[in-house]
Amino acid sequence: DTAVSQTPKYLVTQMGNDKSIKCEQNLGHDTMYWYKQDSKKFLKIMFSYNNKELIINETVPNRFSPKSPDKAHLNLHINSLELGDSAVYFCASSQDWDRALNYGYTFGSGTRLTVV
Amino acid sequence: TQLLEQSPQFLSIQEGENLTVYCNSSSVFSSLQWYRQEPGEGPVLLVTVVTGGEVKKLKRLTFQFGDARKDSSLHITAAQPGDTGLYLCAGVLGNEKLTFGTGTRLTIIP
Repeated sequence: DTAVSQTPKYLVTQMGNDKSIKCEQNLGHDTMYWYKQDSKKFLKIMFSYNNKELIINETVPNRFSPKSPDKAHLNLHINSLELGDSAVYFCASSQDWDRALNYGYTFGSGTRLTVV
Repeated sequence: TQLLEQSPQFLSIQEGENLTVYCNSSSVFSSLQWYRQEPGEGPVLLVTVVTGGEVKKLKRLTFQFGDARKDSSLHITAAQPGDTGLYLCAGVLGNEKLTFGTGTRLTIIP
């Protein structure tokens, strides 16, 4: 199946731990994104990569670090997890930056992170 | 204050009824997209509107982009339980990133 897949689906961890979320797309898209969805379902962009290069880095604590080993993968590493990091994190991709404006994004099914 | 405000925030109606949800902003958008998100899944693109006044239909769903490209509406005719979900509008300012609205949670009661 062509898709954006992210792992794990659920992640429960203690405060202070370091964790990673992986994302892969097999759509041949050039641009990938990380979004955070809070408890009120508001989606806010965190990062965007175009062909492995960082093009958007919103006001996100530098405990969050994206890594793109190739244009099909965009992983998110989080250091020193805090209670407030609990949310659903979505990876998405688009053909490229310009075509996303007309053709939209393809989202993964999300990773629910719970910090206890 | 969010850039894109959606209303209503929650809507629960009987199967077979019609409904309209709104997406409003004080900013002018290059394009506007509508997504539907079901529980445990990511948002799925329904439509993109680009031209002021544009109307697009997707079966029982009708999307309209305001003449001034500051607002949009989604009208559903004869709602069905399968229409239940979170509806999100998302707008593009100039050539900037996609910004999502506050969402409308729709529940269709059989």
